This record gives sequence, structure tokens and C-alpha cells, in this order.
Amino acid sequence: GQQLNQSPQSMFIQEGEDVSMNCTSSSIFNTWLWYKQDPGEGPVLLIALYKAGELTSNGRLTAQFGITRKDSFLNISASIPSDVGIYFCAGEWNSGNTPLVFGKGTRLSVIA
Amino acid sequence: DGGITQSPKYLFRKEGQNVTLSCEQNLNHDAMYWYRQDPGQGLRLIYYSQIVNDFQKGDIAEGYSVSREKKESFPLTVTSAQKNPTAFYLCASSPRDGDTQYFGPGTRLTVL
Repeated sequence: GQQLNQSPQSMFIQEGEDVSMNCTSSSIFNTWLWYKQDPGEGPVLLIALYKAGELTSNGRLTAQFGITRKDSFLNISASIPSDVGIYFCAGEWNSGNTPLVFGKGTRLSVIA
Repeated sequence: DGGITQSPKYLFRKEGQNVTLSCEQNLNHDAMYWYRQDPGQGLRLIYYSQIVNDFQKGDIAEGYSVSREKKESFPLTVTSAQKNPTAFYLCASSPRDGDTQYFGPGTRLTVL
């Protein structure tokens, strides 16, 4: 089946630093989504991208839909302790006929 | 308030017992999903339903069963055939299959 390769698997950063994570695939995706999961909670949607090349911001978060439609990245600027959690990318590839494909997540730890 | 509810938040069962996890949504979404998440791991799809009275197996359906008798409800039964049932279970819904998914708060099941 379709797979998304998400990296890095985990990262430790100092408060105030910028963060970058990405997802890649060998297949074309029509939609890219980024979710954040706080410990013990369900994932929450951060950003949705629908068009190749699209760059979208949500506060300190910025995500881009790769021009080849095979990748996406998420940047977090000026990290704060509440950014801690697991970030998942997800993609839709089959025009509504199959569930989203999820990456394995990037676990972010912020050191104050 | 519109959303997805899962109950209970924590569930304990003895080995060999079947247990049913509840998932309800009032978002009028057609599609619903069940995922399993193990510590430090990503999301693995158990079952999904694109419409009432229909459901499909995901990647790890063995030892689980579901029903979709109402649009709002998609209960998951963890049977005694599931060899390692202790995990965090997440329910999600989307307007239609492949659309952005919205997650519930999760149920942490511990089998003793």
C-alpha cells in the first residue's frame, strides 16, 4: 500500500529554536495534512494543504505542499514548551475512495 | 458542541474478556475509523466505515470487530482473540472517506 516516510523520528531542541520536519512518498498525493498529538490525547489538525506548491501558515507553524506532490514539510518557529508532542503527516491519494495514509510521527521534545 | 466522543477514557479488563469501546460523532460525517496506537508508535488502522451498514478491514483487523448501525456510532469490540489488546485506541471521522479526519480523545485499554 501507500507509505509516507516521516523524518526525523524524534528531536530534542532548546526553547526558542526553529524546528523542521518532513514527509516524503514515492507516490503522488492530492492532499497533505499535519496533525499534532499531545500526550494521552487524540491528534488535532494543524494545517491542511490542497494544492502543489501551496505554502500555508498557522501562527508559528508553516507547512508546504511539495511541487512534485510527493512531499511536504512543517516548520515551527521559536519553539515553546507546549510544542511538545508527536507530529503526524497524512496524505490523501485516491480521491476519497480510501482512508488517509499516516506517517509514523515525529516526537518533539523542547528543553526549557 | 459538535465533535467526537469516546468513552471511557480508561478501561481495564481481565484477559479473555471481550470489551466494547464506544465512539460517537455529531458532525454528520459519513466515514468513521478506528486506530490503535502503541507506546512511541504511529497510528495503525483497524477498521473503517464509509457509510452506514458497511465497513472494511484495515491493516490490523484480526481480533477486532465493529458495527455501523447508525451514522453517529461506530463501536469497536476487542475480542479475546486479540493477542495483545493493551493499547491506546483512537476513533476518527471524516465527511467522506479520504477527507480530513477529526479524532476523538482516545480510550486507553489495559488488559490485566
